[in-house]
Amino acid sequence: EAAVTQSPRNKVAVTGGKVTLSCNQTNNHNNMYWYRQDTGHGLRLIHYSYGAGSTEKGDIPDGYKASRPSQENFSLILELATPSQTSVYFCASGDALGVGTGQLYFGEGSKLTVL
Amino acid sequence: AQKVTQTQTSISVMEKTTVTMDCVYETQDSSYFLFWYKQTASGEIVFLIRQDSYKKENATVGHYSLNFQKPKSSIGLIITATQIEDSAVYFCAMRGQGGSAKLIFGEGTKLTVSS
Repeated sequence: EAAVTQSPRNKVAVTGGKVTLSCNQTNNHNNMYWYRQDTGHGLRLIHYSYGAGSTEKGDIPDGYKASRPSQENFSLILELATPSQTSVYFCASGDALGVGTGQLYFGEGSKLTVL
Repeated sequence: AQKVTQTQTSISVMEKTTVTMDCVYETQDSSYFLFWYKQTASGEIVFLIRQDSYKKENATVGHYSLNFQKPKSSIGLIITATQIEDSAVYFCAMRGQGGSAKLIFGEGTKLTVSS
């Protein structure tokens, strides 16, 4: 079974502080993703990656940076956290469409509260 | 730009009945891939079913099936013989042409199944 783990699972940060959310996958998937989930908005794509060293902007990248130092790890960085970034963040990994179903495997989510 | 819209915020049904959840999408791509995911009360997000735009046959997996109407840019999820454990939030998602990893989601539909 594919495994995606996120840390921390819960985080309280102060406005203006730096926050790093980490994601590790043991599936050897090329593609990794960061989404945020807010009531009424579903899952919105922040950044994604095609492999080590690659990061792409999703639909709501402002205020976020991403880093993919290796195949297994993908981080989401909030340099100057704001209360509007309070949300639940999900990391996911997946393969190319030609490999299996092309489905994504999601982590458990990280709840971030910015005060 | 791609967009996925789920207009049904919530649906309530009785156990053992059939339910249909709607999803419409917008894309400029000539081929694309549509997915449905389920988020349980615990927050876990899992893949259910996939439809490729170039396939005329509707996908079916277990008691999940799709109603793909390409001229209407619509991909409905049908759940037959619903069970209590089908209660969850269901997300429709779309991915563009083969090389693109970008996957975007709709807002989600909350399904409640009662006995």
